[in-house]
Amino acid sequence: GESVGLHLPTLSVQEGDNSIINCAYSNSASDYFIWYKQESGKGPQFIIDIRSNMDKRQGQRVTVLLNKTVKHLSLQIAATQPGDSAVYFCAENNEPGGGTSYGKLTFGQGTILTVHP
Amino acid sequence: NAGVTQTPKFRVLKTGQSMTLLCAQDMNHEYMYWYRQDPGMGLRLIHYSVGEGTTAKGEVPDGYNVSRLKKQNFLLGLESAAPSQTSVYFCASSYFQTGLLVNEQFFGPGTRLTVL
Repeated sequence: GESVGLHLPTLSVQEGDNSIINCAYSNSASDYFIWYKQESGKGPQFIIDIRSNMDKRQGQRVTVLLNKTVKHLSLQIAATQPGDSAVYFCAENNEPGGGTSYGKLTFGQGTILTVHP
Repeated sequence: NAGVTQTPKFRVLKTGQSMTLLCAQDMNHEYMYWYRQDPGMGLRLIHYSVGEGTTAKGEVPDGYNVSRLKKQNFLLGLESAAPSQTSVYFCASSYFQTGLLVNEQFFGPGTRLTVL
């Protein structure tokens, strides 16, 4: 999972395996969470999001699980492919419940996913 | 539909020089944001804007100024660049939807800035 420090967590998997990337968030009142994928030299790209009234949300080959009890978020990627290699960031709503949040997000440090053919 | 674009892609400055980074979006989004990304760290919010003519400070605003004269453009200025501002800068935009406080942000490709 993501942690404070200069060295990003890393996950190495074989092509075809399932990947699970974990994230611990800080604010128990956060009501929106999002996963981004960032390939080298590019901007973050939206993968999937989830609101706090849900425990699970599925997309194409990806599933996000939210455990509010322990403030934990995970991203599951099915049948991981070499093209999935990237840095994955989770983010949470910065000011939940307030009318002035204006969509501000707090990002985690990221996890490096490497997929070996 | 180009999405979010950033100009320039790369820039090298000397300490004390000034420059402006331009962000443009063609999605008619209300909200725009400037982030910086340093090695081994996530994105940190510098400034943001909730509409034309409005700006607000984010997490790390010192040393930067912004302007949103047109809805589609969000400018980030460095008045006197310092080596600590060496970073990759990302612009993002987001839409407002009634009943929802926050939605996904769409990011530009980034500007790599080096201050010597």
